[in-house]
Amino acid sequence: EVQLVQSGAEVKKPGESLKISCKGSGYSFTSYWIGWVRQMPGKGLEWMGIIYPGDSDTRYSPSFQGQVTISADKSISTAYLQWSSLKASDTAMYYCATTDTAMVIFDYWGQGTLVTVSS
Amino acid sequence: NFMLTQPHSVSESPGKTVTISCTRSSGSIASNYVQWYQQRPGSAPTTVIYEDNQRPSGVPDRFSGSIDSSSNSASLTISGLKTEDEADYYCQSYDSSNPAVFGGGTQLTVL
Repeated sequence: EVQLVQSGAEVKKPGESLKISCKGSGYSFTSYWIGWVRQMPGKGLEWMGIIYPGDSDTRYSPSFQGQVTISADKSISTAYLQWSSLKASDTAMYYCATTDTAMVIFDYWGQGTLVTVSS
Repeated sequence: NFMLTQPHSVSESPGKTVTISCTRSSGSIASNYVQWYQQRPGSAPTTVIYEDNQRPSGVPDRFSGSIDSSSNSASLTISGLKTEDEADYYCQSYDSSNPAVFGGGTQLTVL
């Protein structure tokens, strides 16, 4: 059974750094892309970027390029989304999801990680 | 860049059929696959249709997807509505410059 298990909710202050994770199991982690999707409170889904853990090829949405970093550690089947300096506007739910091509067709989704940034 | 436009909300009674549209602003809707994701309140999205009209295993055949080139739109049709179908539904597609574009989402109320 394919599973994506995300790390738990985080509460941070503006300016702090953060790295959240998404651990894949039940499939060949290095053979599928993993994408990240943001959902701000009460809003829709926004694609942030994708990574191919096999070779770390990473693509970013222009809206998120330079704002976040996507990475993966294939030795532990885990993808990451990180911020170097959080803003209050980063408060959102973040989902990871798998796709077998760089042209996104998400099939399996993680449960989401809620990030709250507040002073 | 293209956009996908969905109605903000739709409502229908249990047992009836509802159709949610997703109109592509530029480029042909038929050129790139369209996916549909269901998000129930307080839950993560799940995929209900991929590649225009394919259902993942476990998704009931009450859910179907289609493409209409004349209106440059995709549609998600849910027949035999159940209260459990009440959710937000998002369409999504892509092109060579944009790996993923989501529609704004449609809130389905089953009343």
